[in-house]
Amino acid sequence: ELKVEQNPLFLSMQEGKNYTIYCNYSTTSDRLYWYRQDPGKSLESLFVLLSNGAVKQEGRLMASLDTKARLSTLHITAAVHDLSATYFCAVDPTMEYGNKLVFGAGTILRVKS
Amino acid sequence: SQTIHQWPATLVQPVGSPLSLECTVEGTSNPNLYWYRQAAGRGLQLLFYSVGIGQISSEVPQNLSASRPQDRQFILSSKKLLLSDSGFYLCAWSAPEYIGNQPQHFGDGTRLSIL
Repeated sequence: ELKVEQNPLFLSMQEGKNYTIYCNYSTTSDRLYWYRQDPGKSLESLFVLLSNGAVKQEGRLMASLDTKARLSTLHITAAVHDLSATYFCAVDPTMEYGNKLVFGAGTILRVKS
Repeated sequence: SQTIHQWPATLVQPVGSPLSLECTVEGTSNPNLYWYRQAAGRGLQLLFYSVGIGQISSEVPQNLSASRPQDRQFILSSKKLLLSDSGFYLCAWSAPEYIGNQPQHFGDGTRLSIL
């Protein structure tokens, strides 16, 4: 059974600081997705990572994928309050499960002024 | 452009009552469709997915069922709701051909409370 583990599960950080959220998964995959969820809202796609070494950046967020280590990271640079949300990674194991995603438990990010 | 609609946005139901949640997608043909449930403060659990009309795969045994009567319509149902069915239900779609560079796109969700 594919397991997707995120850490930390809760992150409180000061504005202007940097931090990294980690996403580990237990089976081979070269397709990983990051989503953002605001409280009470739906999920918004942030990044699609499709190969080993893939790096995507949007504003203060940068995501990377290491398929050999089965690890993706979401790096936050100079955090601002607007980044407060829950961040999910999701893995598509494709060969075993078809076009389905297995989600991590999510990381709740709170950026304090 | 493609859009996904889910309704109702919120629902309060007594234990033992039936359930019907509806999801429709516009702007694409033969999408893959998904139902997820999110318990409070938790991640997403895939309940059902469908790759075509009448084709439903169940991921978790439970008292819920799904149907796809039309190409872009996905319905989540129950004959008798349990307290444990409370949660945030999300419908999602993805491109019909498996194209890894396309994420799943989510609807706004239905918040279901069972009393």
